[in-house]
Amino acid sequence: GENVGLHLPTLSVQEGDNSIINCAYSNSASDYFIWYKQESGKGPQFIIDIRSNMDKRQGQRVTVLLNKTVKHLSLQIAATQPGDSAVYFCAEKIRDTGNQFYFGTGTSLTVIP
Amino acid sequence: DAGVTQSPTHLIKTRGQHVTLRCSPISGHKSVSWYQQVLGQGPQFIFQYYEKEERGRGNFPDRFSARQFPNYSSELNVNALLLGDSALYLCASSLGPGSGANVLTFGAGSRLTVL
Repeated sequence: GENVGLHLPTLSVQEGDNSIINCAYSNSASDYFIWYKQESGKGPQFIIDIRSNMDKRQGQRVTVLLNKTVKHLSLQIAATQPGDSAVYFCAEKIRDTGNQFYFGTGTSLTVIP
Repeated sequence: DAGVTQSPTHLIKTRGQHVTLRCSPISGHKSVSWYQQVLGQGPQFIFQYYEKEERGRGNFPDRFSARQFPNYSSELNVNALLLGDSALYLCASSLGPGSGANVLTFGAGSRLTVL
């Protein structure tokens, strides 16, 4: 669970395109995942979550996919906007560890107008 | 409604000093967690408190301590500060254990610089 990592540290996309941010985790006992967005000077902001008994969850313009077979998590942002520019973190909670979350290093998303 | 509030927002200390950071959770939230975020990295878990009891502790030295008060606010104390303690300290609150209670709502953090 401590080895929550991201494949790409930076990502640049054109405004209006779709963005995909990936995250790998190593602990098969992880039962809950959250994607957070962090803008400069602010604390992490909740985007979307998913439990381990689900494969997919959709929100407004965002979709999270969970592949437990390969321990992979992704965040898809549709029609990316300049306001989406931020650092995105995936966080995992390991079963029976209370409410402790392990965060990845983060991916910096830059939206080009 | 006010979100999670933290104070101070910024502070500068010298090596060997101690620091106290404060956090007020969202009204109705009974659990408070503390995270350390070093520049360029993701937040790292330090402590979780629920109903004034420590419910979890991360891999941090005993120089780090915390407590939660009857009104669910919390303090994080760090003694004998080291240069490596320079970081953004984030407080997060949640309802508490149980279904649907796991989402952490973060404050803006306290930026600590140790010189």
